[in-house]
Amino acid sequence: GAVVSQHPSWVICKSGTSVKIECRSLDFQATTMFWYRQFPKQSLMLMATSNEGSKATYEQGVEKDKFLINHASLTLSTLTVTSAHPEDSSFYICSALRGSSSQETQYFGPGTRLLVL
Amino acid sequence: QKEVEQNSGPLSVPEGAIASLNCTYSDRGSQSFFWYRQYSGKSPELIMFIYSNGDKEDGRFTAQLNKASQYVSLLIRDSQPSDSATYLCAVKSSGTYKYIFGTGTRLKVLA
Repeated sequence: GAVVSQHPSWVICKSGTSVKIECRSLDFQATTMFWYRQFPKQSLMLMATSNEGSKATYEQGVEKDKFLINHASLTLSTLTVTSAHPEDSSFYICSALRGSSSQETQYFGPGTRLLVL
Repeated sequence: QKEVEQNSGPLSVPEGAIASLNCTYSDRGSQSFFWYRQYSGKSPELIMFIYSNGDKEDGRFTAQLNKASQYVSLLIRDSQPSDSATYLCAVKSSGTYKYIFGTGTRLKVLA
C-alpha cells in the first residue's frame, strides 16, 4: 500500500504557541491531501482539503486563519495550528489521495497527537 | 445531506467466526466504497475498496456491494482477536474528491 508519514507524532506545547505538522506522501505524488481531526471516541472530522499549488478548502466551522494549510509540493502538506489553546488538543490525521479519477484511494498518515497545556 | 450509516456496536463474535459489518449510504451517485480499520489510538488503515456490484475478496476479507439497495458490507472470515478494532465505511461520490465516513462499527473478537 501507499505510505504517508506525519511529523511529529506527538507534540506538547504551551497555550498561545504555534505548532506545525508535516504530512508527506513517501512513494507517490499527491495533488490532494486532507486534514482530519479526531477527538477521543469520536468520528473523524474533515477539517480541510489541501491541493498542491492552490489555497486549501476549509470545511464549515473550521477557522482558516487558525489552521493554516500549505501544500507547496506534490509530496508535502503542512498544517499549522496558530496560537494553540487547550481546546485544540486532539489527534490530527492527514491523508493523501493516490490514483486517478474513480480509482482514487485515500491513504492515511499515522497521525499527530497534540496536547496544549 | 449525504450520509453514511453504520451500527456503532460493539459487535462481538467468537474467535474463528465470521464477522459481518454493514453500511448504508444515501447518495445514489456514489461510485467508490472503502473499508478502513482503526485500532484504538491509531489512524485508519485501508483494508479494501470496491467499485462494482458484487463481491470482492482479499484474503480473509470480502467486501459486498449492492448499489440498488445502497448497501455495502465487509465480511471477516476466521475472525482473530487482532481483528478487534473500529471499522469505518467510506463512500466517495462521483465528481467529488471528498469521502463521507460513517461513524464506525466497533468489533470485538473474543478469544
